[in-house]
Amino acid sequence: DVKVTQSSRYLVKRTGEKVFLECVQDMDHENMFWYRQDPGLGLRLIYFSYDVKMKEKGDIPEGYSVSREKKERFSLILESASTNQTSMYLCASSRGDSEISDTQYFGPGTRLTVL
Amino acid sequence: QKEVEQNSGPLSVPEGAIASLNCTYSDRGSQSFFWYRQYSGKSPELIMFIYSNGDKEDGRFTAQLNKASQYVSLLIRDSQPSDSATYLCAVETSYDKVIFGPGTSLSVIP
Repeated sequence: DVKVTQSSRYLVKRTGEKVFLECVQDMDHENMFWYRQDPGLGLRLIYFSYDVKMKEKGDIPEGYSVSREKKERFSLILESASTNQTSMYLCASSRGDSEISDTQYFGPGTRLTVL
Repeated sequence: QKEVEQNSGPLSVPEGAIASLNCTYSDRGSQSFFWYRQYSGKSPELIMFIYSNGDKEDGRFTAQLNKASQYVSLLIRDSQPSDSATYLCAVETSYDKVIFGPGTSLSVIP
């Protein structure tokens, strides 16, 4: 089974702090994604990566950055946390095989609260 | 027009009934279509995917795809209270990006 893990289930930070959210997958997937999910707004893509050291902006990249130094690990960084970044953050990975439907597998999520 | 649309619900059905969840998409060249289930406080999990017109069945679940109408649906037969969740439709577009719909909340009443 594909396993995607995230470093924390719950996190509380203060405004202005630098926040690191870690995601690790164990299935040698090429693609990794960071989403945030808010009531009424659904899943919104922040950043994604199709390869090591590669990153692409999603729909709402402002205030975030990412790092992918190793294939299995994709980190989301909040440079200076703000209260409007309080949300559920979901990491996902997918095989990246263009020949078949590319299912995304999600981690358990990190509920971040910024005070 | 949003790229992937779903009725937000909540959709309520009695136990044992058929629940019908609908999804429309705007990119006519979309290739693959996914249904995810998300329980409250949990992350989405894949139920099934479909990429050919017609029906695809897996146990109590049937996905239906009509590319001409840009419409995909999920039928849940013999609905159970454990099926109560939010169902997310996701579409892999012609430009290889997966877009998620806002989700439909389903409540199965015992």
